[in-house]
Amino acid sequence: SQQGEEDPQALSIQEGENATMNCSYKTSINNLQWYRQNSGRGLVHLILIRSNEREKHSGRLRVTLDTSKKSSSLLITASRAADTASYFCATERLRSNDYKLSFGAGTTVTVRA
Amino acid sequence: GAVVSQHPSWVICKSGTSVKIECRSLDFQATTMFWYRQFPKQSLMLMATSNEGSKATYEQGVEKDKFLINHASLTLSTLTVTSAHPEDSSFYICSARDQGSRRYEQYFGPGTRLTVT
Repeated sequence: SQQGEEDPQALSIQEGENATMNCSYKTSINNLQWYRQNSGRGLVHLILIRSNEREKHSGRLRVTLDTSKKSSSLLITASRAADTASYFCATERLRSNDYKLSFGAGTTVTVRA
Repeated sequence: GAVVSQHPSWVICKSGTSVKIECRSLDFQATTMFWYRQFPKQSLMLMATSNEGSKATYEQGVEKDKFLINHASLTLSTLTVTSAHPEDSSFYICSARDQGSRRYEQYFGPGTRLTVT
């Protein structure tokens, strides 16, 4: 089942600007992950944040997690044209005796040169 | 890094025929593989979880007899769409969990685009 909801659905920014997208979920989780998907391609894992972590950085990416609000945000700083893609959050939790991912609806980011 | 391949990358088939999609972990052993489908401009929906040597676990609403999954070895899982219909047209993505790595690491294949005419 799809647990995460993301906003905005679409985002258009100028190269060099920052892009922020948010993800909300409904139940308790083990961790939350962010993925990127270029059009018609598979998923690329960007970053994972555990339920006991509040913030994590990886290069130009910054992820926050607020478990009290059941929400996360992904910030891409100094965006580049190559960042144009769809971004999905995915929550991992135990279901049917296995750890599974539930994906959000995704945010389509367009970076204009 | 761990690589997962899918074959074919795209396939067109006629309504009523069956199509098999392969998912392979190329440089690691995967005890668990997952199959997702994705409609245009939508999210990934988990269809089933496949464990090597045992029956797949299907998500609610996914027809077991229509989407046959076989995880015959630690590096190969197959999804067969039986008696395909146009509404089965979708992007199918598999992922694999490396049995030697941390529990939460899943590696995704590049996807297979199925078009049923």
